[in-house]
Amino acid sequence: EVQLVESGGGLVQPGGSLRLSCAASGFTFSSHWMHWVRQAPGKGLVWVSRIHSNGNSTTYADSVKGRFTISRDNAKNMLYLQMNSLRAEDTAVYFCARGGRFDPWGQGTLVIVSS
Amino acid sequence: DIQLTQSPSFLSASIGDRVTITCRASQGISSYLAWFQQEPGKAPKLLIYTASTLQSGVPSRFSGSGSGTEFTLTISSLQPEDFATYYCQQLNSFPITFGQGTRLEIK
Repeated sequence: EVQLVESGGGLVQPGGSLRLSCAASGFTFSSHWMHWVRQAPGKGLVWVSRIHSNGNSTTYADSVKGRFTISRDNAKNMLYLQMNSLRAEDTAVYFCARGGRFDPWGQGTLVIVSS
Repeated sequence: DIQLTQSPSFLSASIGDRVTITCRASQGISSYLAWFQQEPGKAPKLLIYTASTLQSGVPSRFSGSGSGTEFTLTISSLQPEDFATYYCQQLNSFPITFGQGTRLEIK
């Protein structure tokens, strides 16, 4: 079964850092682009970042560029999102999703940025 | 950035109804459009990709059409499990963007 499981969310103060992880299983992880998408409480979906299957190419939304870094470890079937200089507006559930079709998605991990 | 505008934002319908949700793009996106369903507290689920291709395992009562700037998602006969929020998504150019969502509720 194809599965994505996020972890690493929590409460962090403004200006702080957090690293999210997404564990992949049930498919050849190293063959797929991967994405992070977030959803603020009660709001819609916002694409955050993507990474090529080999990790050599990344793209970011303007709202996180320079603060967030996407990476992956294909040997461990893991996707990461390093989030620095966090702001209140980064509060959201963060989802990882597979490939060009965004299928499937993980269950999400909640990040709350608050003092 | 390409803006996607869904209409309506809220829809009230009954079991067995046929419903249509529209997604309009601020510029042409060919057929690079997908539709997702999201139930409360759950992850989005892919329904349709490349505007009209039904994802494997998705019931045939769901269908998509359109190209360029106007797209539709149709549910031919609403079932209880279809009451959820639906999002369109464009993959024509970065940043990838989503519509604001259409919340479908039981009348």
